[in-house]
Amino acid sequence: EPEVTQTPSHQVTQMGQEVILRCVPISNHLYFYWYRQILGQKVEFLVSFYNNEISEKSEIFDDQFSVERPDGSNFTLKIRSTKLEDSAMYFCASILAGQVDTQYFGPGTRLTVL
Amino acid sequence: AQKITQTQPGMFVQEKEAVTLDCTYDTSDPSYGLFWYKQPSSGEMIFLIYQGSYDQQNATEGRYSLNFQKARKSANLVISASQLGDSAMYFCAMREQNPPSGGYNKLIFGAGTRLAVHP
Repeated sequence: EPEVTQTPSHQVTQMGQEVILRCVPISNHLYFYWYRQILGQKVEFLVSFYNNEISEKSEIFDDQFSVERPDGSNFTLKIRSTKLEDSAMYFCASILAGQVDTQYFGPGTRLTVL
Repeated sequence: AQKITQTQPGMFVQEKEAVTLDCTYDTSDPSYGLFWYKQPSSGEMIFLIYQGSYDQQNATEGRYSLNFQKARKSANLVISASQLGDSAMYFCAMREQNPPSGGYNKLIFGAGTRLAVHP
């Protein structure tokens, strides 16, 4: 069964460094999302992406964040200058057009900012 | 105001018994979808079940069923015949009406319920 993949599974970085989290959505999916989950808390929406542009972004998704679909398969989340509070699990998700009854999540990338 | 409320931070159940995890939601949209996800200690989000606001029947998927009470705005998850492997965090989520510009709206999650299944 096709699945969303994410790399790396765990990323450790120093505060102020840039990180890029990578996702490969399911191949025929068209709608992409990033969510994050701070340890022990609920899952929060960051950004949605469709037709090569951002559809919606949350208050969390400030100027330090950006998303890109550089090559038609990868979907990346970049954090330009990481802060301690960016430490979280980051999930990528995708939806197939017309299939409203599910949303496939990747396994997540655990980001630790020191 | 909270859109998704899960009032049970933790629940426990004996193996082979049934358990109900509560979820209430708040929306003024006529069209919406309700989801349940399981998050084991390994961290991944596993989709369990979906209920559309216009669905006439309660959704079922194997041992999972969703007790959808639209007038009460509740969408409780029922797990029958609990197994030790059901021990995990369970999240209720809602997708409100899709935007007129196209695409699918984001999921809004509740705070989750941690379920422990005891042998």
